Amino acid sequence: EIVLTQSPATLSLSPGERATLSCRASQSVSSSLAWYQQKPGQAPRLLIYDASNRATGIPARFSGSGSGTDFTLTISSLEPEDFAVYYCQQRSNWPPTWTFGQGTKVEIK
Amino acid sequence: EVQLVESGGGLVQPGGSLRLSCAASGFTFGLYDMHWIRQATGKGLEWVSAIGTAGDTFYPGSVKGRFTISRENAKNSLYLQMNSLRAGDTAVYFCARGRGNWFDPWGQGTLVTVSS
Repeated sequence: EIVLTQSPATLSLSPGERATLSCRASQSVSSSLAWYQQKPGQAPRLLIYDASNRATGIPARFSGSGSGTDFTLTISSLEPEDFAVYYCQQRSNWPPTWTFGQGTKVEIK
Repeated sequence: EVQLVESGGGLVQPGGSLRLSCAASGFTFGLYDMHWIRQATGKGLEWVSAIGTAGDTFYPGSVKGRFTISRENAKNSLYLQMNSLRAGDTAVYFCARGRGNWFDPWGQGTLVTVSS
């Protein structure tokens, strides 16, 4: 089973600052990784898929990079609405299983 | 607009059963894989089950043999039958449309509480 480890657990930043979130896989997942944003009381929303592709309607300040075992989600300049929890996620081919990282909370400093 | 609406959550005793439903609209339901994902209060996300367009099903070890996912394409509906419920199954349960290897979009969730 592939384990995803996110760091840091909490990121304290101010609006306008750059956020860099990390997700490390226990074995290579190629470019098969997604990122989700979840705000309190809401369902998660797909931000990035296939490591670097923005989902429909996602602002350009969100970008994803990486391949193999190390991945990064970057928010170039934090807007007030970006303070939330972010999860990475991957799918294993066989048996088909889907796993999430434990999440990174981006909070207002 | 693609929409997923879960229902059927509630309070159930340990060892009991519950059936969740997810009503889909705004897309051709039968053409997509569908999933259930859960989140305990204050915790992370855990994938619970998947069903393919051909009815093939998949589960993690934590629920295999206790949970059954099913779909009724004519009614644009997804279901999760949960048996032998435990306190550790307490969570908000989301249904989500499969999009390749990803989940998009998600419903708003329904709360399941397992307690005596």
